[in-house]
Amino acid sequence: NAGVTQTPKFRILKIGQSMTLQCTQDMNHNYMYWYRQDPGMGLKLIYYSVGAGITDKGEVPNGYNVSRSTTEDFPLRLELAAPSQTSVYFCASSYQGSGNTIYFGEGSWLTVV
Amino acid sequence: SQELEQSPQSLIVQEGKNLTINCTSSKTLYGLYWYKQKYGEGLIFLMMLQKGGEEKSHEKITAKLDEKKQQSSLHITASQPSHAGIYLCGADPKAGGTSYGKLTFGQGTILTVHP
Repeated sequence: NAGVTQTPKFRILKIGQSMTLQCTQDMNHNYMYWYRQDPGMGLKLIYYSVGAGITDKGEVPNGYNVSRSTTEDFPLRLELAAPSQTSVYFCASSYQGSGNTIYFGEGSWLTVV
Repeated sequence: SQELEQSPQSLIVQEGKNLTINCTSSKTLYGLYWYKQKYGEGLIFLMMLQKGGEEKSHEKITAKLDEKKQQSSLHITASQPSHAGIYLCGADPKAGGTSYGKLTFGQGTILTVHP
């Protein structure tokens, strides 16, 4: 069972570079999310999507962009990487959001130097 | 906005001991999720609670949501080294409408179990 798959698992970026974190789920879930986790902190929501073609900002969206062209995929784009974006990124999905189990991927460790 | 406070921040126990982790919310909890996190393995879903007074168990882990729906506890009975990791509580802030499952998380509790 694949569930929520994230790539890459580890990446080092230089300041000013751009990259895309990939996320795909095979559970036919409508809702997908991107969170970041800083050391000693809980997860904070970056962006979320309630279906293909629909995305919205979370708590910490600055410096990121997302798209949702298919139900399965929800890539997170980092433009002009900054050291403050060094973090662990988690993608998650859920069938219908509130009241439903939310499944997380294994995380992507990003370092910006 | 809703804030979650977990206590303790870290916990070291001897194998076989019982332990409790608490998650206290600044607002009413409409859905409370418990996850376990191990390095390199992402978040593993444990349980979800929605009703005041609700209690759920899975193997040696029991989670409860208090009647007032502002605090949840996670209790591990006869802890084992396999229970070690970071335990996170996440709250669904839905109030009236839907929050789309946008969770607010506590800072996590680091559990170490010595054999």
